[in-house]
Amino acid sequence: DSGVTQTPKHLITATGQRVTLRCSPRSGDLSVYWYQQSLDQGLQFLIQYYNGEERAKGNILERFSAQQFPDLHSELNLSSLELGDSALYFCASSVGGPYTGELFFGEGSRLTVL
Amino acid sequence: GDSVTQMEGPVTLSEEAFLTINCTYTATGYPSLFWYVQYPGEGLQLLLKATKADDKGSNKGFEATYRKETTSFHLEKGSVQVSDSAVYFCALRANTGGFKTIFGAGTRLFVKA
Repeated sequence: DSGVTQTPKHLITATGQRVTLRCSPRSGDLSVYWYQQSLDQGLQFLIQYYNGEERAKGNILERFSAQQFPDLHSELNLSSLELGDSALYFCASSVGGPYTGELFFGEGSRLTVL
Repeated sequence: GDSVTQMEGPVTLSEEAFLTINCTYTATGYPSLFWYVQYPGEGLQLLLKATKADDKGSNKGFEATYRKETTSFHLEKGSVQVSDSAVYFCALRANTGGFKTIFGAGTRLFVKA
């Protein structure tokens, strides 16, 4: 158990809909990262937050947004969903800052868009 | 920008065979380097890491050496087991600008008994 909790574990929805994925980081970790894992594109970095502020942005679509709340949990919002958004979405956390340590991953949220 | 390139899979080996998974990187400055492993149905977990040139990371019989001159961090294991079957990801963590971690595409390893 990494200590990172993601909900829901599975989600099936239709094209055009909106979903919210939730992540609770490990106790004490200030940084939260979101990744998308699909069969043909590996693990793609979406966005990173540190202590409530956006710190780095990757290949995140404009239809997607995220935030980190004062209690440090984070939500990833996916809207106007398309078939190609079907993927496994991972959240990871770390202490953050210049610390050169590892990321701790949740078990992922599997999104299926029909 | 920063990037990681690792050998394509799948890699299929017999039990007790020698494993090498190649990984090279492009980065400004001096990143930290990692190998993560993903077992079926699970999230990624750290396998080993190295934070500066010539460091060797090791864990569970796996090793990798941070080679700055060749910008490489190849993963090796002398004798693989069926339980090593998983997807292996090479990654770098920039030490500037947000400290984001960039992953390679992953290499799937199958070990046959």
